[in-house]
Amino acid sequence: RKEVEQDPGPFNVPEGATVAFNCTYSNSASQSFFWYRQDCRKEPKLLMSVYSSGNEDGRFTAQLNRASQYISLLIRDSKLSDSATYLCVVNMNYGGATNKLIFGTGTLLAVQP
Amino acid sequence: DTAVSQTPKYLVTQMGNDKSIKCEQNLGHDTMYWYKQDSKKFLKIMFSYNNKELIINETVPNRFSPKSPDKAHLNLHINSLELGDSAVYFCASSHRQRPESDTQYFGPGTRLTVL
Repeated sequence: RKEVEQDPGPFNVPEGATVAFNCTYSNSASQSFFWYRQDCRKEPKLLMSVYSSGNEDGRFTAQLNRASQYISLLIRDSKLSDSATYLCVVNMNYGGATNKLIFGTGTLLAVQP
Repeated sequence: DTAVSQTPKYLVTQMGNDKSIKCEQNLGHDTMYWYKQDSKKFLKIMFSYNNKELIINETVPNRFSPKSPDKAHLNLHINSLELGDSAVYFCASSHRQRPESDTQYFGPGTRLTVL
């Protein structure tokens, strides 16, 4: 089983639609959680951190369910510029100063005009 | 004012050659990383250095040797290149290694093609 699993998509949605991405992680000792965005042929960039209480940044809402080991991202009122690959990322600590990011394979979103 | 820079951006070379990729960050971070993104777009950590000390070394062939001359630089040297080394290599940096971790900032990537 992969450490971080996502539906690879693609998700093809019209402009203005609401779209939700889900992600599950296997290690219950995971410490912190993020969504990164990667445009085609570009580097990943942090979209938002994910907290147990849920957090919102404009049209984007992220949720974490530690009991179910499940992370979600909701995008409301999709824009053409939202088209990208969304990477679910889990930070795991291996003791002391050693922790590392584990990336999901990403979910491809294509917003259509 | 580039935060994390890598050179070269593209690298095309023959099997068996030795090549290096350089990375520099001007963010004042103390931790740097190398990631490999393969043709299936899967991004996986290879190495991590904190204050010039190697702290993460994933199961990577020993043909890959990172070197950190100072906190702002992390280079990757690859010996005897193989076809399977073709990928995009990303450098990243962050402020410190903590479980909650500061954001990692990625360089633009080096697209390596081995012929």
